[in-house]
Amino acid sequence: DAGVTQSPTHLIKTRGQQVTLRCSPKSGHDTVSWYQQALGQGPQFIFQYYEEEERQRGNFPDRFSGHQFPNYSSELNVNALLLGDSALYLCASSLDTVQETQYFGPGTRLLVL
Amino acid sequence: EDQVTQSPEALRLQEGESSSLNCSYTVSGLRGLFWYRQDPGKGPEFLFTLYSAGEEKEKERLKATLTKKESFLHITAPKPEDSATYLCAVQASSQGNLIFGKGTKLSVKP
Repeated sequence: DAGVTQSPTHLIKTRGQQVTLRCSPKSGHDTVSWYQQALGQGPQFIFQYYEEEERQRGNFPDRFSGHQFPNYSSELNVNALLLGDSALYLCASSLDTVQETQYFGPGTRLLVL
Repeated sequence: EDQVTQSPEALRLQEGESSSLNCSYTVSGLRGLFWYRQDPGKGPEFLFTLYSAGEEKEKERLKATLTKKESFLHITAPKPEDSATYLCAVQASSQGNLIFGKGTKLSVKP
């Protein structure tokens, strides 16, 4: 049973650029959540997608946007990158009908120079 | 405001030396409390979900307990491979997101 997968594993960008991160949920899961984890901190919630719509959003600016596809996979887009966007970006999937446990992928390490 | 506080920030143990990690929380209606293990540069690995005060769950050398204000992760006779950061998170009954603490970094020396 494949777990949550994310791509790419690492990424280096410069300030002002745009980035797209991708996530495939665990088999059978229909809900995807994105988190940002700065070094030494716990993950911070960005947003959650269900039925191809953003269902809930955390305290992140509009530069952060996302999408969910019919096969439940998801993308996170960040525009106008800032140095402070450097972090580990985590995708988590769950089965919405029972609001069950969220399972995390390995993450994408983003470095903004 | 919903929040989670974990203590201590770091814990060094000798192999076989049992101890406990603490997670204090404030949340408007608890749906669940979650424990994850995270190795450096990796994603969090799910350990336990606790739903109500008095509930306990065990897995190998780990045991998680829950009260109305805090949770404990007890580690019995730890081994070096238990070294990791342990994250606690809560989910409010009306929300889908997890609210995490900063974690406890556990080091177990042989």
